Amino acid sequence: QITLKESGPTLVKPSQTLTLTCTFSGFSVTTAGVGVGWLRQPPGKALEWLVFIYWDDDTRYSPSLKSRLTITKDTSKNQVVLTMTNMDPVDTGTYYCAHWSDGVDVWGQGTTVTVSS
Amino acid sequence: QSVLTQPPSASGTPGQRVSISCSGSSSNIGSNYVYWYQQLPGTAPKLLIYKNNQRPSGVPDRFSGSKSGTSASLAISGLRSEDEADYYCAAWGDSLSGYVFGTGTKVTVL
Repeated sequence: QITLKESGPTLVKPSQTLTLTCTFSGFSVTTAGVGVGWLRQPPGKALEWLVFIYWDDDTRYSPSLKSRLTITKDTSKNQVVLTMTNMDPVDTGTYYCAHWSDGVDVWGQGTTVTVSS
Repeated sequence: QSVLTQPPSASGTPGQRVSISCSGSSSNIGSNYVYWYQQLPGTAPKLLIYKNNQRPSGVPDRFSGSKSGTSASLAISGLRSEDEADYYCAAWGDSLSGYVFGTGTKVTVL
């Protein structure tokens, strides 16, 4: 059974850097075709994709956020880490870690991040 | 910011068939697979349809997907109260857009 869980701060100040960790189990991020990524959803709004990192270390970033995002994976710890710089109140929302294999087929429960001074 | 357009709402009575449209362009739906996600209130999304019309294991065959040109549709037949949720389409776009989602459709069971 594939599971993913997000962890990180619930509150960050404007201009700060957000670091979120995704700890997963039930699969290997080195398996061909597999990816792990991050998506988010502002309150009451639509889903937005941020980034995927794949089994071969290929990374795909949202073009509109690429300059602010960095994703890394630690296969020994079964973790993927997202950093997002220069946080703004519009970045407030629920951040999901997810597994990609023919679609985003497994999602974490999500973690709420509020950007406020 | 959503690149794919969906109707904001759809509704039906139990047992009815409801269809949700998703309109894109040649750079996303027109040249890539379409995916559909269901998000029940207060929960994480769930993959409902992948590669235009394939259902993951465990998804009832009441849900079906189709694609034609730069548009796609999700149909829910035999509507049930537990189908009340938000539904999102998604597709890969070009290098300027990445993986794009629809605006979302709220399905209400009357």
